Amino acid sequence: QVQLVQSGPELRKPGASVKISCTASGYTFSSQTINWMRRVPGQGLEWMGWININDAKATYAQGFTGRFVFSLDTSVNTAYLHITGLKTDDSGVYYCARGLNPADFWGQGTLITVSS
Amino acid sequence: SYELSQPVSVSVALGETAKISCGGNRIGSKNVHWIQHKPGQAPVLVLYKDLNRPSGIPDRFSGSNSGNTAILTISRAQAGDEADYYCQVWDSTSYVVLGGGTKLTV
Repeated sequence: QVQLVQSGPELRKPGASVKISCTASGYTFSSQTINWMRRVPGQGLEWMGWININDAKATYAQGFTGRFVFSLDTSVNTAYLHITGLKTDDSGVYYCARGLNPADFWGQGTLITVSS
Repeated sequence: SYELSQPVSVSVALGETAKISCGGNRIGSKNVHWIQHKPGQAPVLVLYKDLNRPSGIPDRFSGSNSGNTAILTISRAQAGDEADYYCQVWDSTSYVVLGGGTKLTV
């Protein structure tokens, strides 16, 4: 069955960086894009953008350019989200999801806490 | 940019029918998907392309989409249906668009 398994929780200080992973199984990794979404406290889900598995081209939503980078390691069916210059407002749960229309399978989420 | 609007909250009595709306300009011309998100769990797709249920989703979940409003209907509501529900569409300029989410209380 399709599964997206994400890496564990992370605690960072403001200004630091973090890289989280999303490992796919149960389908052909190259057949679908991977989205990244997040949910910060008190808000709804936000779409951050997607990465095309075939050419590693990333598309970022407004508000997620510059400090956010999507990448891949297709040899291990894994997508990564790298965030630099972390701010306390970045604290929340980050999700990867397969596909765009719709996003049909989701990872379990990775909690990122940014605190001094 | 394309925007979707949802009510912040909807309440339904146990066993009754809940309707959650998703408004957008000519949303009837788009495929609408609905995502259920329970606290501490992975979000789950409960309807895709307006009215189709993925495997494992009970037929108590149904949908419609016309004009400027799409609706998720949950019949015979159960306590386990309590969650946040998001509508999602694909737009050619905004790409993935999510509604603000509706908290369903049973």
